Amino acid sequence: DAKTTQPPSMDCAEGRAANLPCNHSTISGNEYVYWYRQIHSQGPQYIIHGLKNNETNEMASLIITEDRKSSTLILPHATLRDTAVYYCIDYNQGGKLIFGQGTELSVKP
Amino acid sequence: GAGVSQSPSNKVTEKGKDVELRCDPISGHTALYWYRQRLGQGLEFLIYFQGNSAPDKSGLPSDRFSAERTGESVSTLTIQRTQQEDSAVYLCASSLQHDNEQFFGPGTRLTVL
Repeated sequence: DAKTTQPPSMDCAEGRAANLPCNHSTISGNEYVYWYRQIHSQGPQYIIHGLKNNETNEMASLIITEDRKSSTLILPHATLRDTAVYYCIDYNQGGKLIFGQGTELSVKP
Repeated sequence: GAGVSQSPSNKVTEKGKDVELRCDPISGHTALYWYRQRLGQGLEFLIYFQGNSAPDKSGLPSDRFSAERTGESVSTLTIQRTQQEDSAVYLCASSLQHDNEQFFGPGTRLTVL
């Protein structure tokens, strides 16, 4: 079973920042925070990951709290193509990913 | 460059038939994974190959499911005596090493009538 909890759905206006929260209440010291998304009828797509420090790449930014019990994925300027289900995962960098139900993000014009 | 490819993209079969699903990972990726996604559900892990190590088969739902991988290339997932509850999208992913991000293929949509 998935270890993380996320809100089931969120809306965001096009061009605004989308901030997607995730709770990692049982994350262990050797587990990384990974984010994936799945656009309708496509396979999941890797977005970003981090251990303790905040991370940024061309797709998004990841904020991890100091106690690592929660994280926030930030899409700085959401577009309609960012509409997808977003998954946060506690991952020990070996083997299977365990996906929860994710957050269904709807970006609206 | 080429991503993970899967074939067929769609497969319709009759209950009781055997099916084979193929995955071509990204060249050079040593790890390969199979997942299943039922309609409206999250992904379920099935099996994981890492180099020449014994595969992790802990997610296979029954002995009707099996998978093989030839070296560090193509993998085949076989479902024998298909049942209606096997209907799902079967997704394959590969990663450079076992501790890197996984890149997913487009999936094979299996429908068992």
